[in-house]
Amino acid sequence: EPEVTQTPSHQVTQMGQEVILRCVPISNHLYFYWYRQILGQKVEFLVSFYNNEISEKSEIFDDQFSVERPDGSNFTLKIRSTKLEDSAMYFCASSARGTYGYTFGSGTRLTVV
Amino acid sequence: AQSVTQLDSHVSVSEGTPVLLRCNYSSSYSPSLFWYVQHPNKGLQLLLKYTSAATLVKGINGFEAEFKKSETSFHLTKPSAHMSDAAEYFCVVTLNILTGGGNKLTFGTGTQLKVEL
Repeated sequence: EPEVTQTPSHQVTQMGQEVILRCVPISNHLYFYWYRQILGQKVEFLVSFYNNEISEKSEIFDDQFSVERPDGSNFTLKIRSTKLEDSAMYFCASSARGTYGYTFGSGTRLTVV
Repeated sequence: AQSVTQLDSHVSVSEGTPVLLRCNYSSSYSPSLFWYVQHPNKGLQLLLKYTSAATLVKGINGFEAEFKKSETSFHLTKPSAHMSDAAEYFCVVTLNILTGGGNKLTFGTGTQLKVEL
């Protein structure tokens, strides 16, 4: 069964450092998403991406965040200058069309120290 | 706008007894509704999905959910709980229309299911 692959599974970074979280969506999917789950809280939408541009973003997704699909297979989330409150599990997802085939990766746990 | 309310943050059942996890939704348009399960330190696994076909939806591991428009509910049930069902369960809503840029999922706050011997 096709999978969304996220790397690394766990990343520790110092406050103020830049991090890039990587995702390989399912190959024929067209829509890509990032979600965040702070420990003990619900999963929150960050951003959706389609046709090489952001289609929707939440208020969490401020100027410190950016997304990119650099090579047609990877989908990355960059946090420019990490803060302690960015510590969370970050989930990537992709879908073929609408909600068809909506699949989550296993997540990257980001710890900012 | 769309939202979901999971009425119970914690539910505790005995093994072999029925499970009921409650969810109510709000949506401006016809919704698609999901239940996801998350085991400790694991990712999100889709249990089942409603997208305007049959109102009673069967999922994996013996779970099912019924879409009731009049009650704006999508409760998750299982006839007999197993120890391995202990996890966090999220009710999720999105619009059941094709949007230009993909479908944002809105998660509920989750229900922690505990299964006791």
